[in-house]
Amino acid sequence: EVQLVESGGGLVQPGGSLRLSCAASGFTFSDHYMDWVRQAPGKGLEWVGRTRNKANSYTTEYAASVKGRFTISRDDSKNSLFLQINSLKTEDTALYYCARVATIGTYHLDYWGQGTLVIVSS
Amino acid sequence: DIQMTQSPSSLSASVGDRVTITCRASQGINNNLAWYQQNPGKAPKSLVYGASNLQSGVPSRFSGSGSGTDYTLTISSLQPEDSATYYCQQYKSYPVTFGQGTRLEIK
Repeated sequence: EVQLVESGGGLVQPGGSLRLSCAASGFTFSDHYMDWVRQAPGKGLEWVGRTRNKANSYTTEYAASVKGRFTISRDDSKNSLFLQINSLKTEDTALYYCARVATIGTYHLDYWGQGTLVIVSS
Repeated sequence: DIQMTQSPSSLSASVGDRVTITCRASQGINNNLAWYQQNPGKAPKSLVYGASNLQSGVPSRFSGSGSGTDYTLTISSLQPEDSATYYCQQYKSYPVTFGQGTRLEIK
């Protein structure tokens, strides 16, 4: 059974940093691209970014709203995905989901974690 | 960026009704379109990918269609458990973008 479990969220002051983690199990993590998607309270889904797999040099893509402040990384040996968030703004307050990209060729998100909540407030 | 516009933003329908939600892309996305269902307090769930392919385990009353810039999600016979918010997503180009969501309520 595919499982994605996020952790690392919490309350942080504006300008602060956080590192979110996503522990994956039930599939060959190293084969898959992985995404982060966020959802502000009461709002819709916003794509944050993607990391490709080793075969594609672990290259990354980001939404313009987070580029330069957020960094996606992964550790295939630990089946883990990470999101380093720096220079946090109040508008970064959201539930952050990790999601598996289905297979190369379709790129939809076939499994999602339950999310970890980040609150940016002074 | 490719903008995704869903309509309606919300709707109310009765059990057994046929329901259609539309999604329009600001440019052609060549069927690189997925639909997700999100229940309150839950993570999104994949329903349809490639515009018309049903995700494994999704009831057959759900179907997707469309091409070019215009796509639809259809529920052939609405069930109480279908009350949720539905999102379309394009993955033709970066940044990946979602529609604003359609809230479906059961009368």
